[in-house]
Amino acid sequence: DSGVTQTPKHLITATGQRVTLRCSPRSGDLSVYWYQQSLDQGLQFLIQYYNGEERAKGNILERFSAQQFPDLHSELNLSSLELGDSALYFCASSPGTGSGQPQHFGDGTRLSIL
Amino acid sequence: DAKTTQPPSMDCAEGRAANLPCNHSTISGNEYVYWYRQIHSQGPQYIIHGLKNNETNEMASLIITEDRKSSTLILPHATLRDTAVYYCIVRVESNQGGKLIFGQGTELSVKP
Repeated sequence: DSGVTQTPKHLITATGQRVTLRCSPRSGDLSVYWYQQSLDQGLQFLIQYYNGEERAKGNILERFSAQQFPDLHSELNLSSLELGDSALYFCASSPGTGSGQPQHFGDGTRLSIL
Repeated sequence: DAKTTQPPSMDCAEGRAANLPCNHSTISGNEYVYWYRQIHSQGPQYIIHGLKNNETNEMASLIITEDRKSSTLILPHATLRDTAVYYCIVRVESNQGGKLIFGQGTELSVKP
């Protein structure tokens, strides 16, 4: 158990819809990272938050947005969903942003778009 | 970003040591080498990381060459549960944060 909690575990929805994925980081961790894993793209970094502020952006679509709340949990919002958004979405957390601090991953949310 | 090169697949006999190589010839002096593994579609699991010195923890050992251009992850006594995809990652650090860049990894099959 990594200590990172993601909900829901599975999500099935239709094209055009909007969903929210939730992540609770490990106790004491201030940084939250979101990654997407699809069959053809592998694991891709999406976005990072540190103590409520956006810190880094990766290959995140404009239809996707995220935020980190004062209690440090984070939400990833996906809108106008397309078939290609079907993927595993992982959240990771670390104490800070230093490169010597490992990121610990949750078990992911499997999103299926029908 | 420093690129890593790993063999796509390896086999190991159960109970034997698994030695997984990684080449990172363009690594910078302040970049860490990280190893993660992913079992089926579970979340990536952190194994170990190092900067210059060899490291050991309860899961594995990490051997980094003196020139830092390559490293080896050692699972001392592989079990069937160690069958997974192993990722060697050079941690990119910038003022924008520390994302992990995953490659294709090595698919390790531990056989009875």
